[in-house]
Amino acid sequence: DAGVTQSPTHLIKTRGQQVTLRCSPKSGHDTVSWYQQALGQGPQFIFQYYEEEERQRGNFPDRFSGHQFPNYSSELNVNALLLGDSALYLCASSDWVGETQYFGPGTRLLVL
Amino acid sequence: AQSVTQLGSHVSVSEGALVLLRCNYSSSVPPYLFWYVQYPNQGLQLLLKYTSAATLVKGINGFEAEFKKSETSFHLTKPSAHMSDAAEYFCAVSPFTGTASKLTFGTGTRLQVTL
Repeated sequence: DAGVTQSPTHLIKTRGQQVTLRCSPKSGHDTVSWYQQALGQGPQFIFQYYEEEERQRGNFPDRFSGHQFPNYSSELNVNALLLGDSALYLCASSDWVGETQYFGPGTRLLVL
Repeated sequence: AQSVTQLGSHVSVSEGALVLLRCNYSSSVPPYLFWYVQYPNQGLQLLLKYTSAATLVKGINGFEAEFKKSETSFHLTKPSAHMSDAAEYFCAVSPFTGTASKLTFGTGTRLQVTL
């Protein structure tokens, strides 16, 4: 049973560029959430997708956007990258009626 | 609104000693509570969770936690530390809504285990 997978594992971008991160949920899960974990901090909730719609959103600017596909996989897009966007981006999947989220290994983004 | 406070950003114990990692939460609605562990350069692994059933929750790797509503606490313990327990530990809270809800994390506690 495959767990949550994310790609790529590492990414280096320069300020002003755009980036797309990808996530495949655990088998049987239909809900995907994205979190940003800055160095030395706890993860911060970005947004959640269910039935291809954004259901909840954290305190992140509109530069952060996402998408969920019919197979439940998801993308996180960040436009106009800032140095402060450098972080580990974690994807978590769950069942819509379940309380437990399972995390992927993350994508480490470095913005230069 | 919900929040989590983890007292002690770094905790050091000797191998074989008791591990106690503290977590206090604030929630305006009945909460779900979680402990996750993060090893270097990895994602988060669920250790245990409280979902309004038993207040004493047992998790993987010998860890357990007790939900104390009167103290708004959910401290993580392990009777005997192993070197392999060295990692970052995060306490998290989410509201009991019947559907998947966002997790609010604490700032983490780094556990060091010495010989």
